Amino acid sequence: TAGITQAPTSQILAAGRSMTLRCTQDMRHNAMYWYRQDLGLGLRLIHYSNTAGTTGKGEVPDGYSVSRANTDDFPLTLASAVPSQTSVYFCASSAEGNQPQHFGDGTRLSIL
Amino acid sequence: QKEVEQNSGPLSVPEGAIASLNCTYSDRGSQSFFWYRQYSGKSPELIMFIYSNGDKEDGRFTAQLNKASQYVSLLIRDSQPSDSATYLCAVETSSNTGKLIFGQGTTLQVKP
Repeated sequence: TAGITQAPTSQILAAGRSMTLRCTQDMRHNAMYWYRQDLGLGLRLIHYSNTAGTTGKGEVPDGYSVSRANTDDFPLTLASAVPSQTSVYFCASSAEGNQPQHFGDGTRLSIL
Repeated sequence: QKEVEQNSGPLSVPEGAIASLNCTYSDRGSQSFFWYRQYSGKSPELIMFIYSNGDKEDGRFTAQLNKASQYVSLLIRDSQPSDSATYLCAVETSSNTGKLIFGQGTTLQVKP
């Protein structure tokens, strides 16, 4: 079973470079989300999309952008990476906005 | 600032005992509540969700919700060593957009 696929699984990136984290789901879920998880701070919502063509800001959106061109894909872009963006990034999806969210396996990103 | 509070633990229980995990939240308008289990180095896995006051049971797991007290709990009966993990409480903000606020999690240790 596929569910939610994130790529890459891990990445080391030089500060100032750009990076796009990929997220694809095959469950035809309308809503998708990006979180970052940091020790001591827990999971925090970066951006979300309740349906294709719409996006919204979460708790920590600065330095990140997203797009939702179709139902299945929800890429997260860091335009100019900074060391504070070192984190584990999780993509999630749900059938509708208030339904349970299911998570991908995550991307471990280190910015040097 | 909307908050979700959990005791970080660790909560240690013997095998076969009942583990009780607690969570309080600040947004009185919240309607949807979720419990996730996260093993070290893995992604969050949905355990339970609850929308109405009272108890909801699924196998060895029971979620309890008291909206008046802004309190949600997770009971794990007949705890097993494989239940040892971090349990995350998540509360949807009253905006009903699927935006979740996560607690920092409670680490559960089940000792054989």
